[in-house]
Amino acid sequence: AQTVTQSQPEMSVQEAETVTLSCTYDTSESNYYLFWYKQPPSRQMILVIRQEAYKQQNATENRFSVNFQKAAKSFSLKISDSQLGDTAMYFCAFISNSGYALNFGKGTSLLVTP
Amino acid sequence: GAGVSQSPSNKVTEKGKDVELRCDPISGHTALYWYRQSLGQGLEFLIYFQGNSAPDKSGLPSDRFSAERTGGSVSTLTIQRTQQEDSAVYLCATLSGQGVWETQYFGPGTRLLVL
Repeated sequence: AQTVTQSQPEMSVQEAETVTLSCTYDTSESNYYLFWYKQPPSRQMILVIRQEAYKQQNATENRFSVNFQKAAKSFSLKISDSQLGDTAMYFCAFISNSGYALNFGKGTSLLVTP
Repeated sequence: GAGVSQSPSNKVTEKGKDVELRCDPISGHTALYWYRQSLGQGLEFLIYFQGNSAPDKSGLPSDRFSAERTGGSVSTLTIQRTQQEDSAVYLCATLSGQGVWETQYFGPGTRLLVL
């Protein structure tokens, strides 16, 4: 079974600063995909960034980047130049190449303050 | 529509009543998922539909839960004889193909409260 752990239930960062959200996972699979989803108060889950396990290069999407450490089974999300609109729950998720349903962590609540 | 829609947005019901939650997927999306998000928890997989194949119901927590997808489009999740522990946000997600790497597009969810 695959498990996803987010050890930070809540985090806070000031506007324009950088924050890193942690995620670790456990799997015996070698081919899989990792995701960070954002859930604002509207409840609509939105994909932030995706990483293929076979790629060594860390994914980057504008202000969002990941630090993917495959051997350590770690997948952290870095948000640069934080904005008030980044306030949301952030979920780390895993899916193996042999699966079809995402396995989610319990989420990290991020608050961006002025 | 432009995205996945779900109805109702909120539902309050009494213990023991049946409820139906609806999901309208993005047009053309063949795969559809139902997830449950309990307070303070991540999303829990419930059921998966892919095209005309038999659904994977392995995540349904009890036989009080069922779901169907008519014509490969709209899906309904039914909870019979609701219990207080069924209170949660129920999220629907769809994607266009069969690739597990593809983005799942989520609806806004239905918040269910069982009194």
